[in-house]
Amino acid sequence: DTGVSQDPRHKITKRGQNVTFRCDPISEHNRLYWYRQTLGQGPEFLTYFQNEAQLEKSRLLSDRFSAERPKGSFSTLEIQRTEQGDSAMYLCASRSINLVGNTEAFFGQGTRLTVV
Amino acid sequence: ELKVEQNPLFLSMQEGKNYTIYCNYSTTSDRLYWYRQDPGKSLESLFVLLSNGAVKQEGRLMASLDTKARLSTLHITAAVHDLSATYFCAVAPLVSGGSNYKLTFGKGTLLTVNP
Repeated sequence: DTGVSQDPRHKITKRGQNVTFRCDPISEHNRLYWYRQTLGQGPEFLTYFQNEAQLEKSRLLSDRFSAERPKGSFSTLEIQRTEQGDSAMYLCASRSINLVGNTEAFFGQGTRLTVV
Repeated sequence: ELKVEQNPLFLSMQEGKNYTIYCNYSTTSDRLYWYRQDPGKSLESLFVLLSNGAVKQEGRLMASLDTKARLSTLHITAAVHDLSATYFCAVAPLVSGGSNYKLTFGKGTLLTVNP
């Protein structure tokens, strides 16, 4: 499968626990995006990377959230001290930026987090 | 702050009928996207509209963009049950260089096509 891959697909955790999600983008895509989608809403932008550099973070990304892309390939999103309000689908997308022109982003299947 | 409004939010229609979903956005943008999402699944890209007057068609769906009115439409022709899904429009802000993909999504339109 050469698409965007996210792991795990589902995560149930107790309030106060830490969780980490992983996203493997399409090979050689240099931009990677994280979005959060709650039930009945559209996805909301969280953060994005160009290669290993985190270029922008939404104000939605509180200090309990941290994202990394250490080698410019896969990315992780960690939530510390989870709260019930963190329950959502976390979507990852990737795209390439090149001299020819911009390309469209492709979304992964998402990680559905349930905090109980 | 860029805001994107879709209407209607819920649409129930009969097979064979036509209908239009509207997407309004609040600030200047240079690109607009339409996505489809099936329950529990990720987003499937339908259309990318990059210029004023752009019109794209795929099967029973046709999307258009009027940047002056800050309006995009998704028109459904002769609906079939397989089109039942949630449809989102998303807008990228106008950024110098145009390479941003920080999308602002509408709330989505839940389309149900009944036999």
